[in-house]
Amino acid sequence: EAQVTQNPRYLITVTGKKLTVTCSQNMNHEYMSWYRQDPGLGLRQIYYSMNVEVTDKGDVPEGYKVSRKEKRNFPLILESPSPNQTSLYFCASSLSDYNEQFFGPGTRLTVL
Amino acid sequence: AQTVTQSQPEMSVQEAETVTLSCTYDTSENNYYLFWYKQPPSRQMILVIRQEAYKQQNATENRFSVNFQKAAKSFSLKISDSQLGDTAMYFCAFMPREGSGGGADGLTFGKGTHLIIQP
Repeated sequence: EAQVTQNPRYLITVTGKKLTVTCSQNMNHEYMSWYRQDPGLGLRQIYYSMNVEVTDKGDVPEGYKVSRKEKRNFPLILESPSPNQTSLYFCASSLSDYNEQFFGPGTRLTVL
Repeated sequence: AQTVTQSQPEMSVQEAETVTLSCTYDTSENNYYLFWYKQPPSRQMILVIRQEAYKQQNATENRFSVNFQKAAKSFSLKISDSQLGDTAMYFCAFMPREGSGGGADGLTFGKGTHLIIQP
């Protein structure tokens, strides 16, 4: 089944404790992206990747890192999480940056 | 940069009624895609319908159709014969098309409309 998976689905952590949210797709998509969703703000893009070893900032990159060492994986790294990063995070992928994006199931992150 | 505006934070209609969700956008691009995504309580983002700006014909998918007015930069979603399962957040989104130079920006979303279908 073609899909985008994210892990974990739910995470509660404390300020400053490094964490990684994984994202994997099995559709051989070149383009991958991370969004965060906050009430009243819709979804905003954090980082995106056009292909392996090619990443760039989106609209709200502060406090986040990403890497794209393999085509299928695009982890989101929070080196020192803070409470304002409490949010719902979505990973998405598409054939290219101009094609329909397929979304993962979301990761609910709470930073205390 | 693009902006997408959804002016209705919440709407409520009775089951079987027709409902229209509004969306306006601002862009200097000429070629682009517009989307409506549905987000039910499960939080999954589900593509409902997409429209290519260079196509004059409005897109339709079963009970879902759009009214695309390019000159007015308006992209409303009409849901006919609404069902309880249509209860969800609905997001309008914009994406530049290949050749317009802005595709790497990904999707720009509106803030969403919470649609409630009453039994």
